Amino acid sequence: GIQVEQSPPDLILQEGANSTLRCNFSDSVNNLQWFHQNPWGQLINLFYIPSGTKQNGRLSATTVATERYSLLYISSSQTTDSGVYFCAVVDAGGTSYGKLTFGQGTILTVHP
Amino acid sequence: DSGVTQTPKHLITATGQRVTLRCSPRSGDLSVYWYQQSLDQGLQFLIQYYNGEERAKGNILERFSAQQFPDLHSELNLSSLELGDSALYFCASSVNPRGAGTFGSGTRLTVV
Repeated sequence: GIQVEQSPPDLILQEGANSTLRCNFSDSVNNLQWFHQNPWGQLINLFYIPSGTKQNGRLSATTVATERYSLLYISSSQTTDSGVYFCAVVDAGGTSYGKLTFGQGTILTVHP
Repeated sequence: DSGVTQTPKHLITATGQRVTLRCSPRSGDLSVYWYQQSLDQGLQFLIQYYNGEERAKGNILERFSAQQFPDLHSELNLSSLELGDSALYFCASSVNPRGAGTFGSGTRLTVV
């Protein structure tokens, strides 16, 4: 099946710093989503971005589908940005339907 | 509130027991997905239903089963529970069978 690799596995920042998280995937995708899992375990959908660039406040994401990677940018980080960031994709193969394959996540810690 | 309701939020049970997790999808969504998040396996797709019928199956154990009812709510049944089944179980829903899912807040299962 499709493989999803995220880097870095861990990231520690001071409040106010910027960061870039990367997601590489091994095959064509119909869907790519970025999630933030907060310390209470909730999975919050940040972006639905199978291709192109989107921005939402201090967060933005870019997916280059032809090169099989996506980037999540966090600017002016805040302590509330701490948590785990997941990239998840839907394989473009015919039997995948809406099934998401998740990467292992990037653990982000933002210190005040 | 994502609109996807999962109950219960927490569940503690003993090895060998059977539990049922419940998911009510967002209004209008016909597709329901179940995912398991464990420390060793990460976030994994278990099974998908669309309008009452099974559409896709992932790494779901034979001790686990699921169904989607006519009112579109879904239940995940876990039997002969083992310590390794302790995990966060997420439900997601979408309008169509290939759609991006909206996640519920999860059920945290602890097997002791």
